[in-house]
Amino acid sequence: DAKTTQPNSMESNEEEPVHLPCNHSTISGTDYIHWYRQLPSQGPEYVIHGLTSNVNNRMASLAIAEDRKSSTLILHRATLRDAAVYYCTYGSGNTPLVFGKGTRLSVIA
Amino acid sequence: NAGVMQNPRHLVRRRGQEARLRCSPMKGHSHVYWYRQLPEEGLKFMVYLQKENIIDESGMPKERFSAEFPKEGPSILRIQQVVRGDSAAYFCASSLMGRMNTEAFFGQGTRLTVV
Repeated sequence: DAKTTQPNSMESNEEEPVHLPCNHSTISGTDYIHWYRQLPSQGPEYVIHGLTSNVNNRMASLAIAEDRKSSTLILHRATLRDAAVYYCTYGSGNTPLVFGKGTRLSVIA
Repeated sequence: NAGVMQNPRHLVRRRGQEARLRCSPMKGHSHVYWYRQLPEEGLKFMVYLQKENIIDESGMPKERFSAEFPKEGPSILRIQQVVRGDSAAYFCASSLMGRMNTEAFFGQGTRLTVV
């Protein structure tokens, strides 16, 4: 099972950047790193994924450490709609996604 | 293209009854995953199916729970003789390729309450 360590909660001011860290020290060379988020009373939603190099999409950026034992999800300008639980996970092949408890992000207006 | 559809959204069952949860994956997706989320907890993987086959059921309780994904129709998660501890949100996800270099799409979940 994917074993990740994330802070239980984080807080951010609206319009400020947010850096959500994740440690995945047991990751293997072929494992992809995935981030999902879950808004209140909703199903999880894909945010971003990557293997080695940093990734950007319309929602966020993913910064992957050189040794790949950690990664950081970056929300460039937090909005109130970004308040959610953010899950980091990893895996390869056909293994299903396994989630930990994630980080609960609060955004203050 | 509709997303992953789960129904019912809310389901109330008395102890000892059966619960049937349905999941229609996104069009063209043949890989389906079921997860359970207890209140204030994270998502727990239950089972991974690919059209008519169970690929990984390592997260399924050994008794009372079963899942299927027939050639035609939605995937079904079936819970027999429900108990209070089965009360949870059950989420289904689907993916196109079933590999970790692709994204999975989740439904809105079925919230099961056992009374």
